[in-house]
Amino acid sequence: KNEVEQSPQNLTAQEEEFITINCSYSVGISALHWLQQHPGGGIVSLFMLSSGKKKHGRLIATINIQEKHSSLHITASHPRDSAVYICAVSEIGGGSQGNLIFGKGTKLSVKP
Amino acid sequence: DARVTQTPRHKVTEMGQEVTMRCQPILGHNTVFWYRQTMMQGLELLAYFRNRAPLDDSGMPKDRFSAEMPDATLATLKIQPSEPRDSAVYFCASGLVPDGRSGANVLTFGAGSRLTVL
Repeated sequence: KNEVEQSPQNLTAQEEEFITINCSYSVGISALHWLQQHPGGGIVSLFMLSSGKKKHGRLIATINIQEKHSSLHITASHPRDSAVYICAVSEIGGGSQGNLIFGKGTKLSVKP
Repeated sequence: DARVTQTPRHKVTEMGQEVTMRCQPILGHNTVFWYRQTMMQGLELLAYFRNRAPLDDSGMPKDRFSAEMPDATLATLKIQPSEPRDSAVYFCASGLVPDGRSGANVLTFGAGSRLTVL
């Protein structure tokens, strides 16, 4: 079974800081997902990627398949970015097609 | 925007009572998942349906939990009898995985049902 590790667990940053959240996994995957969960809110999918890099606004996600590692970057962070960011992986084939294995999440707090 | 609808949003009940949570997946999605989120364990898979057929419910305590999908527009998760350790947020998510392909797909999550068992 895949083990998904995230670091750091908690992160406090000042507004405008550049933020990096890391994720590593143990077994081959079909894709990696970055999710965002606001306090008291639901879960929103930010990115799904299987290679290279994706960018959406101030968010950038990268993945290195050989190293089994992904990073989520936030440029010019803002208090509204405060949330829990969750890394998840889609396993390859078998009976688990489409299922996600989740990391424990990184709680980000951006101070004004 | 298409969304996954979960009811109830909040439920407080007493130990031993039956709890039923409902989920309306996005029309056209062929996979439905039930996840449970707790502070200690994070998000964990409870049950998983493909084209309404249950594929994996190994994460679910079989003696008290049951998951069904009576039709394409409704998935249910039932706990009977409920226990305090069942207190958690239960998420339903749906997605589209092309048949016959190993599947990475973007899941759309519902807002969750927060259950408190006293």
